[in-house]
Amino acid sequence: DTGVSQDPRHKITKRGQNVTFRCDPISEHNRLYWYRQTLGQGPEFLTYFQNEAQLEKSRLLSDRFSAERPKGSFSTLEIQRTEQGDSAMYLCASSSQGVHLADTQYFGPGTRLTVL
Amino acid sequence: TQLLEQSPQFLSIQEGENLTVYCNSSSVFSSLQWYRQEPGEGPVLLVTVVTGGEVKKLKRLTFQFGDARKDSSLHITAAQPGDTGLYLCAGVRTNAGKSTFGDGTTLTVKP
Repeated sequence: DTGVSQDPRHKITKRGQNVTFRCDPISEHNRLYWYRQTLGQGPEFLTYFQNEAQLEKSRLLSDRFSAERPKGSFSTLEIQRTEQGDSAMYLCASSSQGVHLADTQYFGPGTRLTVL
Repeated sequence: TQLLEQSPQFLSIQEGENLTVYCNSSSVFSSLQWYRQEPGEGPVLLVTVVTGGEVKKLKRLTFQFGDARKDSSLHITAAQPGDTGLYLCAGVRTNAGKSTFGDGTTLTVKP
């Protein structure tokens, strides 16, 4: 399967713990995005990378959140000192900038985070 | 304020009926995507439209992008239970990179 993959698919943690999620984009895509989705809402943008550069961060991304894409391939999203309000589906997407129909984003299956 | 408004929020119909869902905005988008999402899964791309007035067909689904590239519609002909799901529209503004999503239309097609 050459689509976007995310790991883990589900994560249950206790409040105050740190968690890290991984995203592997479609191999030829140079842009990678993180979104958060809560029940009954559409995905909300968190941040995105072009190659290894983090180009934009949402105000939703508090200081407890950090994302990296060290070699311009896979990315990690870390949440420190988790809070119950962090419970959500975390979605990763990738796209190929500079190609016809650019910015069409292809999503992974998501990581469902539950903070107890 | 939601940048992209989708309507209706919920739609429940019988198998065989036709339906249209809408995605409206006051902003102009360089491209707009429609996705379908199942519970517990990520959104799956259905179509991208980029040209004002563009119409694309995907089997029983017809997508239209408004002339001013501010709105879009999705029409389903002869709906089937397998069409059940959350339909999301997402717009990308020129040079913005990120997508802005509506809150979706939850469609239920009863057999």
